[in-house]
Amino acid sequence: DIVMTQSPDSLAVSLGERATINCKSSQSVLYSSNNANYLAWYQQKPGQPPKLLIYWASTRESGVPDRFSGSGSGTDFTLTISSLQAEDVAVYYCQQYYDTLHSFGQGTKLEIK
Amino acid sequence: EVQLVESGGGLVQPGGSLRLSCAASGFTFSDYFMRWVRQAPGKGLEWVANIKEDGSEKYYVDSVKGRFTVSRDNAKNSLYLQMHSLRVDDTAVYYCTRGGWEIRYWGQGTLVTVSS
Repeated sequence: DIVMTQSPDSLAVSLGERATINCKSSQSVLYSSNNANYLAWYQQKPGQPPKLLIYWASTRESGVPDRFSGSGSGTDFTLTISSLQAEDVAVYYCQQYYDTLHSFGQGTKLEIK
Repeated sequence: EVQLVESGGGLVQPGGSLRLSCAASGFTFSDYFMRWVRQAPGKGLEWVANIKEDGSEKYYVDSVKGRFTVSRDNAKNSLYLQMHSLRVDDTAVYYCTRGGWEIRYWGQGTLVTVSS
């Protein structure tokens, strides 16, 4: 089973500053035949289901602001918010879909400093 | 517009059973893998079960194997999760989700509370 580990567990960033969340998988989620990383990022606000932000590690979902970006490959991935806005306060999750278990990271709580 | 509407949650005693349903609309249901994902109160997301488009393949997280059964009725555009031998740690919001890879569509969830 692939274990996803996010860091940090919580993060406080000033408005307008950069926020960086890391996600590490216990084995590579890069599928060699298509050179694709089977990894997604989600944002969840209280009382709501998660919202897809990024898939294939770096493809931004339609309608997601371009301050959100994903990077990384293999086992190490990063979600970056280039300039934090008040509405970005949420919990962020990474998820691998390389194997059938589709495991999630434990979540990173992002707050305003 | 894609819609996923869960129902069937509620309060059940440990050892009891419950059947969750998910009514899908706005897309061709039989063309998509479907999944159940759950979230315990104040906790993170946990994938529970997958079912292939035609129902021929099903996958479960270890903690529910032998107790939960995922099924679908493509004629009714519906996904189900039959849950037996429920435990306190099964308490969660259960989300119905669409898709085989990234999860673009989520229902609003139905709360299952297992308590005596």
